[in-house]
Amino acid sequence: QQPVQSPQAVILREGEDAVINCSSSKALYSVHWYRQKHGEAPVFLMILLKGGEQKGHEKISASFNEKKQQSSLYLTASQLSYSGTYFCGTTGNQFYFGTGTSLTVIP
Amino acid sequence: EAQVTQNPRYLITVTGKKLTVTCSQNMNHEYMSWYRQDPGLGLRQIYYSMNVEVTDKGDVPEGYKVSRKEKRNFPLILESPSPNQTSLYFCASSSSGTWGETQYFGPGTRLLVL
Repeated sequence: QQPVQSPQAVILREGEDAVINCSSSKALYSVHWYRQKHGEAPVFLMILLKGGEQKGHEKISASFNEKKQQSSLYLTASQLSYSGTYFCGTTGNQFYFGTGTSLTVIP
Repeated sequence: EAQVTQNPRYLITVTGKKLTVTCSQNMNHEYMSWYRQDPGLGLRQIYYSMNVEVTDKGDVPEGYKVSRKEKRNFPLILESPSPNQTSLYFCASSSSGTWGETQYFGPGTRLLVL
């Protein structure tokens, strides 16, 4: 039931781009994306809803393929502050966080 | 300031000694939830509440109790803690469920059960 994310970890240099994928075995009604710094609470990035509506961070983009039950988060021109662990989350009666992707941006 | 607060932030206890972790939100949110985070297992939902007096089990409810007597509060109760409940706990709230609304998280509570 837990969505699977890929890659598990990625290291980028400042200015490089990254894509984080989230795949679910169950039908998706909406997908959430959060970022968590070590030891801190997850912070909301965006929500993608069935039908194409999106809510969230202006500088972050994402896609949601309802048929394939997948979502991808696109981080462009990465900054040092982008470092952290990224989680997708899927909704139903319960909420399931994905397996997580550790992203490290180096100078 | 809109926020979710948790207390205590850090807690060391012994096996079997009942404890309560409080969670409070000041945003008049209907939905509240508890998660635990463990290395290699990510964040897992323990219990959630859609509104006052309505609570449901999440993915890992065993060993935990919750109550929702007031809209703003959602305490997590460990009646007989065991070492496998050592974890980082987060409370979260959203205006009306998680389908289309973001969750706001508290700062977390680090629990060590000896």
